Amino acid sequence: DAGVIQSPRHEVTEMGQEVTLRCKPISGHNSLFWYRQTMMRGLELLIYFNNNVPIDDSGMPEDRFSAKMPNASFSTLKIQPSEPRDSAVYFCASSTTGGGITIYFGEGSWLTVV
Amino acid sequence: GQQVMQIPQYQHVQEGEDFTTYCNSSTTLSNIQWYKQRPGGHPVFLIQLVKSGEVKKQKRLTFQFGEAKKNSSLHITATQTTDVGTYFCAGEFGAGKSTFGDGTTLTVKP
Repeated sequence: DAGVIQSPRHEVTEMGQEVTLRCKPISGHNSLFWYRQTMMRGLELLIYFNNNVPIDDSGMPEDRFSAKMPNASFSTLKIQPSEPRDSAVYFCASSTTGGGITIYFGEGSWLTVV
Repeated sequence: GQQVMQIPQYQHVQEGEDFTTYCNSSTTLSNIQWYKQRPGGHPVFLIQLVKSGEVKKQKRLTFQFGEAKKNSSLHITATQTTDVGTYFCAGEFGAGKSTFGDGTTLTVKP
């Protein structure tokens, strides 16, 4: 039973470059979340999709960040242009909808911007 | 906005000692979940509490949900080195989205 699949697992990029993180949620889950985790800010919810529609993007830091979910089995988080302060672990997570949701996290994408 | 406050931020214990982390919300929660993140890993679901005053146990872990459904606790009896990690609570206020606490990072000295 495959869990949430993220790629790449690790990425090192230069400041100013575009970064695209990818996520495949668990089949049958209709909610998808992108989180960012750093030592300073902890676990932050960036954006939340339900049935492929963005519901809450209030956590997206700024216009350099964008997220899409073209279908139920794929989502991307894009940073353009990237900056050193974007260095973090980015987690994708998915869940079913309804009372008592359980969130299943991917293993994360470790991003370093130099 | 709706927030979940978690304390303490860090806890260092000697192996064999007990450990407790607390979560508090100013508004009533629909339910609360607890997650554990090992160093270098990702958060993993532990348990969900739904009912007022609910108590659940998993071996040495005891989870409680307050009567008012505004607070919760996780208690570990006789910690082991395998318990190290960060424990997060996540409260659901509704609308299918959970709000995570800042986590309590537990270190255990052998």
